Amino acid sequence: AQSVTQPDIHITVSEGASLELRCNYSYGATPYLFWYVQSPGQGLQLLLKYFSGDTLVQGIKGFEAEFKRSQSSFNLRKPSVHWSDAAEYFCAVGSQTGANNLFFGTGTRLTVIP
Amino acid sequence: KAGVTQTPRYLIKTRGQQVTLSCSPISGHRSVSWYQQTPGQGLQFLFEYFSETQRNKGNFPGRFSGRQFSNSRSEMNVSTLELGDSALYLCASTRHLNTEAFFGQGTRLTVV
Repeated sequence: AQSVTQPDIHITVSEGASLELRCNYSYGATPYLFWYVQSPGQGLQLLLKYFSGDTLVQGIKGFEAEFKRSQSSFNLRKPSVHWSDAAEYFCAVGSQTGANNLFFGTGTRLTVIP
Repeated sequence: KAGVTQTPRYLIKTRGQQVTLSCSPISGHRSVSWYQQTPGQGLQFLFEYFSETQRNKGNFPGRFSGRQFSNSRSEMNVSTLELGDSALYLCASTRHLNTEAFFGQGTRLTVV
């Protein structure tokens, strides 16, 4: 069965500091991997995706993520956090039979200190 | 290009009633999925439709149902509402079966 673990429930960083959000997945085959961001009361916005190919993927708003098959990880990074990045971040895994059947992690809430 | 549109944005219903939520996917997208988001259970997959056919279904009781129309618009219905059905219901669409999903703003359902 597929599963996604986001070990950090809440992270606080200072504005301008670097950020890394952790995501580990369990899936029997090569997964499709995604990071989404959600502001309070809003829907999910896609930050980036990994389907195949280059294991370092670039997304919107300066985010990037690296797929490491040996560690079953897909960690999200940003070199310099802005106050507007405060939100909840979700890692998700989808199967190759269709990426519209996603299994989500529990999310990491990011607080940015001025 | 319009995004995924969900209506209504907010709903308040009484226990035992039924409710229908609507989702219009991005133009050209043929797959629609529904998710339930609650503080306790997080984001959970409800069901997925492609070309008017249900392809996958999550682990929810039969009170939860859905359908997709020929124009790819989708509706989900919850009958005999329970307090625990209070949640944010999110709809997502994809152009094909193996492309990224785009989400709507959600419908906030409150059952009293």
